[in-house]
Amino acid sequence: EDKVVQSPLSLVVHEGDTVTLNCSYEVTNFRSLLWYKQEKKAPTFLFMLTSSGIEKKSGRLSSILDKKELFSILNITATQTGDSAIYLCAGGNYGGSQGNLIFGKGTKLSVKP
Amino acid sequence: GAGVSQSPSNKVTEKGKDVELRCDPISGHTALYWYRQRLGQGLEFLIYFQGNSAPDKSGLPSDRFSAERTGESVSTLTIQRTQQEDSAVYLCASSLSFTSFGNTIYFGEGSWLTVV
Repeated sequence: EDKVVQSPLSLVVHEGDTVTLNCSYEVTNFRSLLWYKQEKKAPTFLFMLTSSGIEKKSGRLSSILDKKELFSILNITATQTGDSAIYLCAGGNYGGSQGNLIFGKGTKLSVKP
Repeated sequence: GAGVSQSPSNKVTEKGKDVELRCDPISGHTALYWYRQRLGQGLEFLIYFQGNSAPDKSGLPSDRFSAERTGESVSTLTIQRTQQEDSAVYLCASSLSFTSFGNTIYFGEGSWLTVV
C-alpha cells in the first residue's frame, strides 16, 4: 500500500532557529514529491520535486529529494512566527489511487517569539 | 474563477440532517479532489474526479457520503444523516490534469462542518 510518512509530527522552536522537516515515501510509480503549507484552512503550494539531488529554494525555505533513499526534506532557516503552520508532504504517482496523490499526516511547526 | 471556491465556508447542522457542500474548481481544471481534515489531523482522501472518467471513490468512509460532478465544473459532496464524527473541514482541490504530469493541485478555503 502506498504511504507517505512525515516526521516529526510536531515541533516547537524559537524564532531564528533552523528546522528540518522529513518526508519518506513508498509510492508505486513515483513521479513527484510536493510540499504544502497549511496555516488556516487552505494548504498553499510550496515546492514540487521530481529530480533527485536538485535543491529548490524560495527565500528561507528549501527542499531536496532523494529518490534512492525515498525521502525529502524541507528546511526553514531563521524561522519566524509566521512560519507556524502544518507542513504537508505528498507523493504523486502515475495512474495510482487517490487521484495520483498520497498525502502524509503533516508536521505541525510552532515558532515561539 | 481565479481560485477554487467552496461554499458554505461554515455549516452547523443537527445530527441526522443531510448537508451539501459545493466546490467550484479553477476554470479549465479537469481534476477535482475532495479531502476531509479533522481538527489537528492530516488530510483524508475522499474522492477524485478526472474529466469524464469514473471517479475514484475509494476514500468515501461510508455510504452516507456521495459526490457528483457535472463535466469539468462544479462538484457537490453530500453527507446524509450526519453524525458528530462527520465534523471536520472538507477541502476541495483542483488541478489541470493528473498530478503525475507535474501539475500541482490548488486548494479551496474549505467548508467547516459542525454536527451538533
